[in-house]
Amino acid sequence: DAKTTQPTSMDCAEGRAANLPCNHSTISGNEYVYWYRQIHSQGPQYIIHGLKNNETNEMASLIITEDRKSSTLILPHATLRDTAVYYCIVRVSQGAQKLVFGQGTRLTINP
Amino acid sequence: GAVVSQHPSWVICKSGTSVKIECRSLDFQATTMFWYRQFPKQSLMLMATSNEGSKATYEQGVEKDKFLINHASLTLSTLTVTSAHPEDSSFYICSVTRGGLIETQYFGPGTRLLVL
Repeated sequence: DAKTTQPTSMDCAEGRAANLPCNHSTISGNEYVYWYRQIHSQGPQYIIHGLKNNETNEMASLIITEDRKSSTLILPHATLRDTAVYYCIVRVSQGAQKLVFGQGTRLTINP
Repeated sequence: GAVVSQHPSWVICKSGTSVKIECRSLDFQATTMFWYRQFPKQSLMLMATSNEGSKATYEQGVEKDKFLINHASLTLSTLTVTSAHPEDSSFYICSVTRGGLIETQYFGPGTRLLVL
């Protein structure tokens, strides 16, 4: 699975959009980009995934560059409850493959 | 999504005893489950892949005789930490893979183990 690079930490004001970047320059053509988050002392929570098109669900939007070497997770109106560690992971979509977690981005939403 | 439960949510035990942690897939049958471990201020590390009806596959450096995994049914996998020691104190998390066109993993709430 391709390796990802994320900033160690980020801050965002409550009510503003939080934009979390992820670099995955060695991503393969059949690998998807998955985003998870982990709120303190809880199991990771699935957020969204995508291959090459931008995706949106009730939690967030995922913007993937045309060359697929980077992506951005957008939380449109961040709340205090969005404070968590966000993980960007790339892997193939089939075969019950394991997830390899990096260090993620610690996002702090400030009031 | 998928609903995954773990029991217990936290446990304290004496050094040398064994502890069993259960992971249940509540709303679908999971052929594959994963077990992760997370130490304070660190990321999740995969311990093993649990397949229903067969032996688990352990990651390098994880002792299979110390961390016994049983995946006896499509909705239940158990992790037993045998002869626990203080260095086994950690946050243990399981996940299930929900198939379909695009597979997605869903995680349990985790079990915090403290070995005294």
